[in-house]
Order: sequence, then structure tokens, then C-alpha cells
Amino acid sequence: GAVVSQHPSRVICKSGTSVKIECRSLDFQATTMFWYRQFPKQSLMLMATSNEGSKATYEQGVEKDKFLINHASLTLSTLTVTSAHPEDSSFYICSATPLADTQYFGPGTRLTVL
Amino acid sequence: DQQVKQNSPSLSVQEGRISILNCDYTNSMFDYFLWYKKYPAEGPTFLISISSIKDKNEDGRFTVFLNKSAKHLSLHIVPSQPGDSAVYFCAASATNTGNQFYFGTGTSLTVIP
Repeated sequence: GAVVSQHPSRVICKSGTSVKIECRSLDFQATTMFWYRQFPKQSLMLMATSNEGSKATYEQGVEKDKFLINHASLTLSTLTVTSAHPEDSSFYICSATPLADTQYFGPGTRLTVL
Repeated sequence: DQQVKQNSPSLSVQEGRISILNCDYTNSMFDYFLWYKKYPAEGPTFLISISSIKDKNEDGRFTVFLNKSAKHLSLHIVPSQPGDSAVYFCAASATNTGNQFYFGTGTSLTVIP
């Protein structure tokens, strides 16, 4: 079965540093990957849609200069939280779609900014 | 391998009838289970959850049943309404692994008026 991995699973960093989170589809090619952030009451907010070979599409209210997304290949998308602050502490989840209309979610990355 | 599976990619139900969405998991360490509802172009919205110490949790029209021995959970929607038409994801996590989420691939529910 299809698997999507995220690395790291947890990261703790100091305020002002940048953190990179990787999302990989392990056994399928994903032309599209999505990045979500978990908010209280456990709902996931769609942050951006990442398409291989083109610029990501950000949702309204998401700062593209703060949350840099690079979809370098058909199996890898990265989210870089630049100059992280404590309010960026959250759970970030990616999902990937092969050509079919199915989403495979990664296990998430917990970011804690001190 | 997928640790959480939703084997029915789609389901159609008449308005007013019961919708039953199923989810199976393989990891016996999972102790918390969630259902999310997702509309197109939006992020999944949390719907209902259940801890492994329970076998049933009810919230209005939504009830989640957990069968730990079978590693199976289901979401019942009664009565189904057209507004319930969406994609439903189940997810599981284990306390001893930092509560990472493992999602199923979703079931698209269509409620026919």
C-alpha cells in the first residue's frame, strides 16, 4: 500500500531559526502534495498545494515567504518554516496524491519553537 | 505499508438512511482514533474521536464504534443528510509514539436527496 513519510517526526528549535520538514511518497509518484497545519480541536488547515515543477499555491492568510515550499521531485516536497517563532509551534501534516483521486497522509511533524 | 485502511473509496446512501463508513488498522498500539470530514478545496475537519478505553462514542447524528479485537472502527451517520456528502478520513495515533497521525485514504460519501 502507498505510504507517505515525513521527516523529522519531531523538532524543537530556538526562536529565529529555520526548520525544514520533508514529505516523501515512498512507492508512488505524487504530482501534487498538500501541506496542513493542525489547530485546536484537531482540525487541519490547508496551508498550500505543492505541484512538482511549479510554484506552490498558498491558501489565503498563509505567508509564502515564511512557509517556503519546494516540490523538488515527484516523490519529495519540503516545507521550510523560516525564522520560526513560538506561535509557529504546531503539528504539520502533508498528504500526497497519485494520479487517482486519493489522498495519502503522512504521519505529521510536531514543531516546537522555544 | 498503510497502517490505517479504508477499503471502500466511495459510498452512496439515500437521505434519511444510515451511512456506515468503515476503517481497519493494523497497529495494536493505536489508542486514539479520529474521524475527519473533508469538503473539496478545504482541510479535513475533525468530526468525532474515540479512545481505546471505550467501544462507542456518540455525538448527535454521529456515532463511532471501536472493535479492538478486530482492529476495526466504524462511523455511523443517522439520519444521513445531503450536507453530509464529503470525503471521510479515519485516523489513528498511539500515545507512545508521540501521537503521530496515521490516516486512511478516505471514503467519499454521497447522500442522495
